[in-house]
Amino acid sequence: KQEVTQIPAALSVPEGENLVLNCSFTDSAIYNLQWFRQDPGKGLTSLLLIQSSQREQTSGRLNASLDKSSGRSTLYIAASQPGDSATYLCAVMGSGGSNYKLTFGKGTLLTVNP
Amino acid sequence: NAGVMQNPRHLVRRRGQEARLRCSPMKGHSHVYWYRQLPEEGLKFMVYLQKENIIDESGMPKERFSAEFPKEGPSILRIQQVVRGDSAAYFCASSPQRTGVADTQYFGPGTRLTVL
Repeated sequence: KQEVTQIPAALSVPEGENLVLNCSFTDSAIYNLQWFRQDPGKGLTSLLLIQSSQREQTSGRLNASLDKSSGRSTLYIAASQPGDSATYLCAVMGSGGSNYKLTFGKGTLLTVNP
Repeated sequence: NAGVMQNPRHLVRRRGQEARLRCSPMKGHSHVYWYRQLPEEGLKFMVYLQKENIIDESGMPKERFSAEFPKEGPSILRIQQVVRGDSAAYFCASSPQRTGVADTQYFGPGTRLTVL
């Protein structure tokens, strides 16, 4: 059974700092891995999707890496801004017959202080 | 193109009542997924539906919960005889086809169910 763990559970940083969020998963047989952003009372916004054959994806100030063999992913946020404050969720999609089922971590609550 | 819509956004029920949660997928999407987020927990898969078919309901409790996605109209997640443990945020997601390759699931804003 796939399990996804995110560390740290919460993070508070001053504006402008670079930061790294960590995600680990127990079953390396994944189809892809996604990072989402969740704002209070709102839905999930997909930030980056990494296919199992890829090593990283970049979008603006965000960079996500994937090491499938070790079951790890990191989300790097450069030059953080107060608007980045949100909960960041890591989710993996199973392979084979269940390549529609996302397994989520509990998230990292990020606060960027002005 | 409107995103995934869910209503109501907030729902309060007393123990023993029924809760009906609605999800309208994005235009052109025929695949719907429901997830539940309990307090302090991650989102957990409940059920995957295509139009008029339940594909996988392995994450849905066997009793009191049911889901449908009729040919016309929104997908409905129905919870009968609600209990306090059903209090959670229920998220719906949709995709244009079975998710895979480069596809992602597009999530709605969620329905927050509170059982008194």
